[in-house]
Formats: sequence, structure tokens, C-alpha cells
Amino acid sequence: EIILTQSPATVSLSPGERATLSCGASQSVSSDYLAWYQQRPGLAPRLLIYDASTRATGIPDRFSGSGSGTDFTLTISRLEPADFAVYYCQQYGSSPRTFGPGTRVDI
Amino acid sequence: QVQLVQSGAEVKKPGASVKVSCEASGYTFTDNYIHWVRQAPGQGLEWMGWINPTGGGTDYAQTFQGRLTMTRDTSTTSVYMELSRLTSDDTATYYCARDWRHVFDYWGQGTLVTVSS
Repeated sequence: EIILTQSPATVSLSPGERATLSCGASQSVSSDYLAWYQQRPGLAPRLLIYDASTRATGIPDRFSGSGSGTDFTLTISRLEPADFAVYYCQQYGSSPRTFGPGTRVDI
Repeated sequence: QVQLVQSGAEVKKPGASVKVSCEASGYTFTDNYIHWVRQAPGQGLEWMGWINPTGGGTDYAQTFQGRLTMTRDTSTTSVYMELSRLTSDDTATYYCARDWRHVFDYWGQGTLVTVSS
């Protein structure tokens, strides 16, 4: 089973600032099958990025993903109020699919 | 538009079973696998398994082997997740999610299952 770690656990930022979230894997993620999801309080997760760097439909270009192998990054270039949420990475290159513990982006 | 609509909240006693439904609409039901993911209160996401609506094939996370059953009904475009021998550790919100290119592009609204004596 691939273990994902995320850092930082919590980051406090202001609207307009840049957020850089990291996701590390215990072993190489096959085909860079790494996704990022956003979860706002009380809501289901929302797909942001798949295949490490491809934005999902309707996701604004201030969200970008990068990385390969065992190290991945989600960058939010200019935070907007709706972006304050928890972000999870997930690998789907091997079974079982696993999620990271999440990074909370706080104001 | 694609929608996954789940059944309502449940309260169960330890040792009981729970069955949660997920009705899909807005796309061809048999084109996409459905996964189940759960989230304990204040915690992260845990993948449980998937079902293939075409033939009913399933794959479950090892953690749930022996007490998790996923089924589907193509006539109502619904999938079901049944978890047995519940304990307080199973208290969580359970989500169904549609598989698209191996990621989860649409999610149900979630069903809170509370296990309490």
C-alpha cells in the first residue's frame, strides 16, 4: 500500500497570497496517477487536478499541479475566499487507492 | 447533468448492518465504475472499494474484507453499500463517487452513519 503524506498540515494565509501544498508518496506513483481534491466544510470533495498536472473541467487556472514519482505539489497562485478549505492528494496508480491526510488552508 | 443522490442518515447499534444507496442519473449508468469513500468525523478520506455496474464485479479494500458488500440494480441505476458488524469506529459520512479515468469526478452528497448503543 502506498502511504501519502502531506505538508504542511495547516497553513494560514490571506486572500491574494500564494499557497504551495506538498504531497509525498512512500513509493513511486505509477504513471504519475496523482489527483488533488478540495473539500469545503460540510460538502463532498471536489476533483481539482488529475494525472498530477491536468486541471479538471471547470477548475480555474490559479490551481496548478506538478511533480512526478514520489513528490507532488499543488499550487494556488492567488487565494480567493472560496479556496480556504482542506486539500487531499490521492494516488490511483495501484490498489488500494490511498489518500493523504489533508492540508487545511486557513485564513 | 450528472448526479449521485444518496439515501438519508442512519443510526445503528453496534453489531448491526447498514445499507446505503446511491442513485445515479445524467449519464449512462454502465459506463462508469462507482466507488465508496468514507470520512470519520473530523478525519480524512478512506477508500472502501468499487463496483462495476456492468457486471457487478467488485474490489474491496483489505480493511473491509468480509464485512463489506457492494451491489447494483441496473433497472433503478442505483448502487448499494452494505457494511456489517458495525462498531463505533464505523461512525462516518459515507460517499459514493463516479470513476472517470480512475479519478472521482462526481460525488454523492454523503450519508452520515452513526453507530451508538
